[in-house]
Amino acid sequence: KNEVEQSPQNLTAQEGEFITINCSYSVGISALHWLQQHPGGGIVSLFMLSSGKKKHGRLIATINIQEKHSSLHITASHPRDSAVYICAVIGGTDKLIFGTGTRLQVFP
Amino acid sequence: DSGVTQTPKHLITATGQRVTLRCSPRSGDLSVYWYQQSLDQGLQFLIQYYNGEERAKGNILERFSAQQFPDLHSELNLSSLELGDSALYFCASSVDRGSYEKLFFGSGTQLSVL
Repeated sequence: KNEVEQSPQNLTAQEGEFITINCSYSVGISALHWLQQHPGGGIVSLFMLSSGKKKHGRLIATINIQEKHSSLHITASHPRDSAVYICAVIGGTDKLIFGTGTRLQVFP
Repeated sequence: DSGVTQTPKHLITATGQRVTLRCSPRSGDLSVYWYQQSLDQGLQFLIQYYNGEERAKGNILERFSAQQFPDLHSELNLSSLELGDSALYFCASSVDRGSYEKLFFGSGTQLSVL
């Protein structure tokens, strides 16, 4: 079993829909990253959070350290949001442990 | 543009060979991280350098080594290459020594071992 699990693995949405991607982890962590990997392969860091909630534009990330769970929400989804979203937790000794990613496709 | 430069973008080589991947971090960033992304393993942390010193080690094979130079650029050396080493290799940089800062990723080096 992976230490970091994401669901769903694949997600298809219509433009404008509200999207939620979930990340659960089994190890103790101090913080968590949400990353976006574009179809061309480039990776962009979206959020780093250790508690509560962060918002940037149409993206919202939440984390519950006690429940070992984080969610990434996209409001009013757009085709340009199509990408792989990766959750990565900061475990012991500050090493990042990555989830397997959620592939999102948003259709017009 | 993240400000992190990786070269080369693509590398094709044969089994048994040795290659060097290069990463220049964003101006002012002291930490460089190396990651491997393969189809079967996903993204994995390999190694981190902070201001020239090795700070953390992940799933890095003994055939692989890295260093960070005084000008803060880093090189990842892969030797005795095997087919399974074919992957996308990313470097990332951050200002501070931990993973608690926002990470800035390079565009990656696609390594194909034939």
